[in-house]
Amino acid sequence: GENVEQHPSTLSVQEGDSAVIKCTYSDSASNYFPWYKQELGKRPQLIIDIRSNVGEKKDQRIAVTLNKTAKHFSLHITETQPEDSAVYFCAASKGSNYQLIWGAGTKLIIKP
Amino acid sequence: SQTIHQWPATLVQPVGSPLSLECTVEGTSNPNLYWYRQAAGRGLQLLFYSVGIGQISSEVPQNLSASRPQDRQFILSSKKLLLSDSGFYLCAWSVGSGANVLTFGAGSRLTVL
Repeated sequence: GENVEQHPSTLSVQEGDSAVIKCTYSDSASNYFPWYKQELGKRPQLIIDIRSNVGEKKDQRIAVTLNKTAKHFSLHITETQPEDSAVYFCAASKGSNYQLIWGAGTKLIIKP
Repeated sequence: SQTIHQWPATLVQPVGSPLSLECTVEGTSNPNLYWYRQAAGRGLQLLFYSVGIGQISSEVPQNLSASRPQDRQFILSSKKLLLSDSGFYLCAWSVGSGANVLTFGAGSRLTVL
C-alpha cells in the first residue's frame, strides 16, 4: 500500500537559519500533499499544501517543493524563529482526505 | 465562520470502563467528519470517517466504534477500554469530495489505567 516516509525525525537549527524537511511517497497516483504543524499539546494545523500540477508553492517564510518524478516533496522554512518549534507532519493523498497517508513527523527545535 | 468543538478535553478511565467522546461542527453543512488517534510522540492514525449521517467507515480493527446521529455530530465510543486505547484523540472536518484542508478539534487526551 501507499507509504510516506519523513526525514529527519528530529531537526535542530539555529534561530535565523533555514530548515528543510523531506518526505517521499510510494504511490505515483498521489496528487495532494499537505503539511501540518502541531505545537506541543495542541491540534495539528495546515500550514501549506501543494497539488501535483504545481512544482513549488510559497507563503512568506514557508515553501513546499514537489518532484513528481522522484516522488518526494519538501518543506522549507527560512529565517526560523522560536515560534517555528513544533512537530511537522507531511501527508499524501490520491484523491480524498480519508486516503491521506501521513508521515511519522519531524520535531523541529529552534535554538536561540 | 466554522468552528469545531470536541469534549471532554482530558479524561482518565479505568480499564474495562466505557468511553464516549463527542465532536460537533458549526457553520457548515454536510461536512466530512474524522476521528484520529495519536499515540504519545507518534503520528496520526485515522480511525473512522463519515461522509453523511449514519455513514461510518472504519480504517482499523479495534474495540472502538463511531456514530453520526446528526449532520454535524460525531461520537467515538467504546464499551470496554483497553490500556492500549490511551492516546490523544482528534476530531476533524472537511468539505467536498476531494482532498483539501482538514480542520482539527482541540483534542481529547485519554489515559486508561
